[in-house]
Amino acid sequence: DAKTTQPPSMDCAEGRAANLPCNHSTISGNEYVYWYRQIHSQGPQYIIHGLKNNETNEMASLIITEDRKSSTLILPHATLRDTAVYYCIHRAIVGNYQLIWGAGTKLIIKP
Amino acid sequence: NAGVMQNPRHLVRRRGQEARLRCSPMKGHSHVYWYRQLPEEGLKFMVYLQKENIIDESGMPKERFSAEFPKEGPSILRIQQVVRGDSAAYFCASSPQGSEQYFGPGTRLTVT
Repeated sequence: DAKTTQPPSMDCAEGRAANLPCNHSTISGNEYVYWYRQIHSQGPQYIIHGLKNNETNEMASLIITEDRKSSTLILPHATLRDTAVYYCIHRAIVGNYQLIWGAGTKLIIKP
Repeated sequence: NAGVMQNPRHLVRRRGQEARLRCSPMKGHSHVYWYRQLPEEGLKFMVYLQKENIIDESGMPKERFSAEFPKEGPSILRIQQVVRGDSAAYFCASSPQGSEQYFGPGTRLTVT
């Protein structure tokens, strides 16, 4: 069973920042937080991951709370092509690398 | 650098036939994962393989399903005697050890 909780859907205006929350209150010290997205039944696309510190790459920023019980994925300037289902996932640092998927958040970017 | 390749992209089988799904990992990746996705649901882990070894098959149904990743060639997910409930999208992902997984485009299996 998924160990993360996400809102089922969100809207965001094109050009604005999209902030997607995720609760992972049972995360352990040896698990990363990973974010993937899936655009209209295509193969999932890796976005970003983190352990304790905030992370940023060319796609997004990841803000992890100090207690690590929740995180927020930020798409700084959302475009229509960012419409997708976004998944927040735990993954062990070592050992079992399988990804356990929840239902995700369906993000709709509106013009 | 080619991404993860899966073929066929679409596969139709009648009940009782066999389905073979192929996955070629990204160059340099020795870890392969198979996931299944039913409509409107998240992915479900099936099996994790390294070259010539099954590392974790805890998500595989006990019967009719098997997977391999031979020394040469693609990884194969094999479903024998397919039933309607096997209809789903099957995704393969590859990674270097301990790193993020990169997914292929999937194979959509339809059992009639």
